[in-house]
Amino acid sequence: EAEVAQSPRYKITEKSQAVAFWCDPISGHATLYWYRQILGQGPELLVQFQDESVVDDSQLPKDRFSAERLKGVDSTLKIQPAELGDSAMYLCASTSTGRSYEQYFGPGTRLTVT
Amino acid sequence: SQKIEQNSEALNIQEGKTATLTCNYTNYSPAYLQWYRQDPGRGPVFLLLIRENEKEKRKERLKVTFDTTLKQSLFHITASQPADSATYLCALKDSSYKLIFGSGTRLLVRP
Repeated sequence: EAEVAQSPRYKITEKSQAVAFWCDPISGHATLYWYRQILGQGPELLVQFQDESVVDDSQLPKDRFSAERLKGVDSTLKIQPAELGDSAMYLCASTSTGRSYEQYFGPGTRLTVT
Repeated sequence: SQKIEQNSEALNIQEGKTATLTCNYTNYSPAYLQWYRQDPGRGPVFLLLIRENEKEKRKERLKVTFDTTLKQSLFHITASQPADSATYLCALKDSSYKLIFGSGTRLLVRP
């Protein structure tokens, strides 16, 4: 069964350093989402792509976060500089055009900022 | 303000019993509501979707109800098993078509 791939699974970084996460959605899924999930809370949308275009990045802290999906396939989320409050699980999800209500999530990247 | 509320206390039940989880929302008018399962250290997995014009939806041992007057959804697992132990998240689409998640309720099924 096709899955959303994410790497790395775990990342420990010091504050003020740069960090990047990668996501490869299910093949053929045009819509890609990045979520942040703080322990004990539900996922919160950071950015949504339709193919290579950003559809919604209203909750993305643009002073330090950036996201790209250059060829409309895989995507990278970057944080620079990382802050202690960025410690969280970063989840990637994708949906197909015909079933846009059903989001398939990857395993996530657990980020710890020290 | 807009809120989605799920019981933050874990639900602890005996194997074989029915688990019932609650999702309440305020100041939303969702076209549909979803339920996801999340295991520790993993991403959520989609379980069920129920639309505003549906009162009940079933899938195997799962049943979801949706009361738009009460602004509440109930999620039931019948004949619960220890393997059902996980956190269950409800989510709805807001007016900007973003998926908004509740904070989830942890279910523990004792053998």
